[in-house]
Amino acid sequence: SYVLTQPTSVSVAPGKTARITCGGNNIESKSVHWYQQKPGQAPVLVIHYDSDRPSGIPERFSGSNSGNTATLTISRVEAGDEADYYCQVWDSTSDHRVFGTGTKVTVL
Amino acid sequence: EVQLLESGGGLVQPGGSLRLSCAASGFSFSTHALSWVRQAPGKGLEWVSTISGSGRTTYYADSVRGRFTISRDGSKNTLYLQMKSLRAEDTALYYCAKGDCDSTTCFPNDASDIWGQGTVVTVSS
Repeated sequence: SYVLTQPTSVSVAPGKTARITCGGNNIESKSVHWYQQKPGQAPVLVIHYDSDRPSGIPERFSGSNSGNTATLTISRVEAGDEADYYCQVWDSTSDHRVFGTGTKVTVL
Repeated sequence: EVQLLESGGGLVQPGGSLRLSCAASGFSFSTHALSWVRQAPGKGLEWVSTISGSGRTTYYADSVRGRFTISRDGSKNTLYLQMKSLRAEDTALYYCAKGDCDSTTCFPNDASDIWGQGTVVTVSS
């Protein structure tokens, strides 16, 4: 089955840039979506279709997808960005939706 | 306002059954795919099942195929998940989520842009 691998954690100082990777075999051939989940809350879609921002998501959030790695970039990190982040794709081989392992972003 | 409201969770014994519901409002129900995603305590997101806007196409995770059935009722704007032969490992917070695409061209590659707050299922004796 298709596997998406994310780093367990990323730490970043306020005002700096956080980059969260999502590794998968030939992931560039798939549409990647990213979700933010804060403690006790439902996930929120922050990037869809690799690099598009849904309405209401700050421009500080951006995405890219190339080769075997997709990346969520959070610029000018704020304390409120502290959360778990998950990537997600549809695997047409297995007809399964696949979530990444999740990355905890800590703002120092 | 687009809203999803789950219900039906609870405590059930291993081998038991439960039916979850998700009441939808604020969007064209029949044109968007819907999914169930669960999250075990302290764990990550796990996809469970997805159904197309028409209801004609369904997909299941291997861990639930043959035990769970997803369905939708357009007359009630409600999504369902019938769960049978429940196991301890099915214990989780179950979310319903709306597909962000209103066209068949992007299904099932669409994202979930709206999520409910979830309903808790506990399988224990």
